[in-house]
Amino acid sequence: DSGVTQTPKHLITATGQRVTLRCSPRSGDLSVYWYQQSLDQGLQFLIHYYNGEERAKGNILERFSAQQFPDLHSELNLSSLELGDSALYFCASSPRASSYNSPLHFGNGTRLTVT
Amino acid sequence: AQSVTQLDSHVSVSEGTPVLLRCNYSSSYSPSLFWYVQHPNKGLQLLLKYTSAATLVKGINGFEAEFKKSETSFHLTKPSAHMSDAAEYFCVVSVRYGGSQGNLIFGKGTKLSVKP
Repeated sequence: DSGVTQTPKHLITATGQRVTLRCSPRSGDLSVYWYQQSLDQGLQFLIHYYNGEERAKGNILERFSAQQFPDLHSELNLSSLELGDSALYFCASSPRASSYNSPLHFGNGTRLTVT
Repeated sequence: AQSVTQLDSHVSVSEGTPVLLRCNYSSSYSPSLFWYVQHPNKGLQLLLKYTSAATLVKGINGFEAEFKKSETSFHLTKPSAHMSDAAEYFCVVSVRYGGSQGNLIFGKGTKLSVKP
């Protein structure tokens, strides 16, 4: 068990809808990373927060947004959903501000299915 | 530019035989390298990491990897495969300035199948 908790495990929704994915990092970790994993794109980095502040942005769509709260949990909001947004969304955490030289600890993911 | 290439998308072995998962990297400076494993419907779990200490790195579950700078390789091996090793394996290079890719550059993964 990595200590990173993601909810819900599965989410099925319709196109055009909005969903919120939640992540609780390992105790003591200040950084939260969001990744999207799909069959055709592989693992794609979305966004990184450290202690409540956005640190780095990947190829995240404008329809997607995230935030990290004072208690360090994070939420990823996906809106105007399209079929192509169906994927596994992972949250990962680490104690440091940078993942350079520092491995991440991954949650079990939220599987999003858009119908 | 930094990159990582996993040379096989799928490897199939018989239980009890050796495992070799190949990874080549490209980095403009001494890299940090990781191997992660992902079992079905699970998150990624760190198997091992290389951070410029010993070139032969031992990980969990009997896996090890050897860093070869001259070959820019970081292949993952295990002497004897178990059925529980069936999973997808990711080679990852850690970079200081990753830009839109972030600090971790993931390979496309190698799916390991283990036959009884």
